[in-house]
Formats: sequence, structure tokens, C-alpha cells
Amino acid sequence: QKEVEQDPGPLSVPEGAIVSLNCTYSNSAFQYFMWYRQYSRKGPELLMYTYSSGNKEDGRFTAQVDKSSKYISLFIRDSQPSDSATYLCAMSRLYTDKLIFGTGTRLQVFP
Amino acid sequence: GAVVSQHPSRVICKSGTSVKIECRSLDFQATTMFWYRQFPKKSLMLMATSNEGSKATYEQGVEKDKFLINHASLTLSTLTVTSAHPEDSSFYICSASSVSWDLSYNEQFFGPGTRLTVL
Repeated sequence: QKEVEQDPGPLSVPEGAIVSLNCTYSNSAFQYFMWYRQYSRKGPELLMYTYSSGNKEDGRFTAQVDKSSKYISLFIRDSQPSDSATYLCAMSRLYTDKLIFGTGTRLQVFP
Repeated sequence: GAVVSQHPSRVICKSGTSVKIECRSLDFQATTMFWYRQFPKKSLMLMATSNEGSKATYEQGVEKDKFLINHASLTLSTLTVTSAHPEDSSFYICSASSVSWDLSYNEQFFGPGTRLTVL
């Protein structure tokens, strides 16, 4: 079993839709949870990070962490064609820089 | 935000040659740099963790003699793929670690990646 599971998609939605991206994990030691966006042939860029459980909002993006279910989500409101990219979840334990990535979900937002 | 550069962005080489990829943190000092490999439509696979002035720590299954990592300064790490073969063709991405703005954790800033094609 992989430490982090993520549906690879692709996910295709119309502009303006609410997008829900999810990851599950098996290691209860994970404390930091991140979402990265990666455009084709580029390096990932950090979108959101959350420490432990809870919600965090930044503009159109909301990250949720449910440690009891070992489940994290990223919601994108009012999705735009420019949101079309691969979204990777990543996690790490306390006192370590090492990130464990999900496989990434490819999102396409069409006009 | 912090900027990490990689050079070259793309390289094509013949089988058996060695290729060096540079990773630089442009506006901050990074005590730790990471090297990843990414296959098409796959996630990032950590290859090694590199600390300035010390030997890199390789992940299980990564050949340290094939993927040589040097972290000569707080702003530069290099990955050399020695005696490259077609199966080494991949997208190589580095990242540099820096304390986040709120000092709560170490954030990784990623380079744009290097696409290696071995003929």
C-alpha cells in the first residue's frame, strides 16, 4: 500500500465549477499537509499548507485535513481555465523536510 | 517568494556519457536541497537529500555511484548522472528548503526541472 493515494484523474470541469481534489494516507505520523500545483514541464509550486487537522482558506482555494480519517482535500471555487494543471498533495512528519507526494490529479477547466 | 533555478532546462546526450545538472537558490541560502525524479504522469520520487558540506543521503533503490550529488555551497547543488542510459531519461527536479515566513515549518521551493533524454 502506498503511503499517499491520489486519484490521477483526469478531471475535466466547466469554467466556474467547484473542484474537489482528495488524497488519503496511511501514516498517522504525518503532521504537515501541502497542495502543490504543477503546470506541464514545470516544477511544482506551493498552493496551500496545513499543520495538523482543520481548514485553511486562501482566495478561491480551501484546504481541509481530517486526520481521524487520514483524508485531505483541496477545493477550488469558481474554477478558471488557468487552473488547468496537475495538483499534487504532499505530506511530511514533524522535524523532517522529507515530503511524500501523491501521484497528482490532472485537472482541466474548459471555457 | 524564493526562487530556485535549474540548468540546463533540457539536455540530450548519448548513452554512456555523463550529464551534470545544477540547482541554485537565487535569493536565499538553503541548508538542504532535494533531488527528485518524475516520470510522465507520475508523481515526484525523492532520490536524495543533500546538505551543504556533507554527503548526500540517498533513498532506497537509488544508486549513489550513478547519481552523484555535490552540495558545495548554501546556494548550489549539482546532480551528475554518470554513464547515462536510455532508462535514465526522465524529468529531474530539485528543491531547496527554507524556513517558512511564519517560521512554522521548512518550505520546499522547487526548480523548473531538467528534462534529460538519453539516446
